[in-house]
Amino acid sequence: QQQVKQSPQSLIVQKGGIPIINCAYENTAFDYFPWYQQFPGKGPALLIAIRPDVSEKKEGRFTISFNKSAKQFSLHIMDSQPGDSATYFCAARRAGAGNMLTFGGGTRLMVKP
Amino acid sequence: DTGVSQDPRHKITKRGQNVTFRCDPISEHNRLYWYRQTLGQGPEFLTYFQNEAQLEKSRLLSDRFSAERPKGSFSTLEIQRTEQGDSAMYLCASSRPNQPQHFGDGTRLSIL
Repeated sequence: QQQVKQSPQSLIVQKGGIPIINCAYENTAFDYFPWYQQFPGKGPALLIAIRPDVSEKKEGRFTISFNKSAKQFSLHIMDSQPGDSATYFCAARRAGAGNMLTFGGGTRLMVKP
Repeated sequence: DTGVSQDPRHKITKRGQNVTFRCDPISEHNRLYWYRQTLGQGPEFLTYFQNEAQLEKSRLLSDRFSAERPKGSFSTLEIQRTEQGDSAMYLCASSRPNQPQHFGDGTRLSIL
């Protein structure tokens, strides 16, 4: 049973565009929501994370928007660059679960020059 | 900057053989995690250690899988009698308590 649903599966934008990746979760016990970026042949690297008591968090060109009542959160990448082309994963951690992460299915982003 | 190190990076083996992977976490990280990632999917949790104690195991971790972290530092993941379905990327991550997990670059396992 997939507890974190991610969409779209793939996304193509032009350089400078603002790709938006969405995630929805079911388990209200989740208390921490990170986003990871993964390049081919590499492990996931933490980009940015948010807790449910905050509605928005911005770090550089990356912004997370969080809607607790809808159990949804999204990643926005401002002024996207070809170097941002990668697979992005949202994840969620259940409180008291020893930091174990449940990942979404991933979004493959391509930023065209 | 020493990150999470995994060895080997690639392993090709025949069905039915045993394989062992090693993970060296970031020093002073007392939590260590194993995940499995199949092509086009997100990582799936396998197991978790706090120091040398294995505190949680996923139902994905069948009897053929065993993980150890004998001295609370490096960890090994062994798969016995490998099957085609074991082909995947095996990722290790480490963290301090309640801090973000940092992932290694994984061991890609291919079963012939």
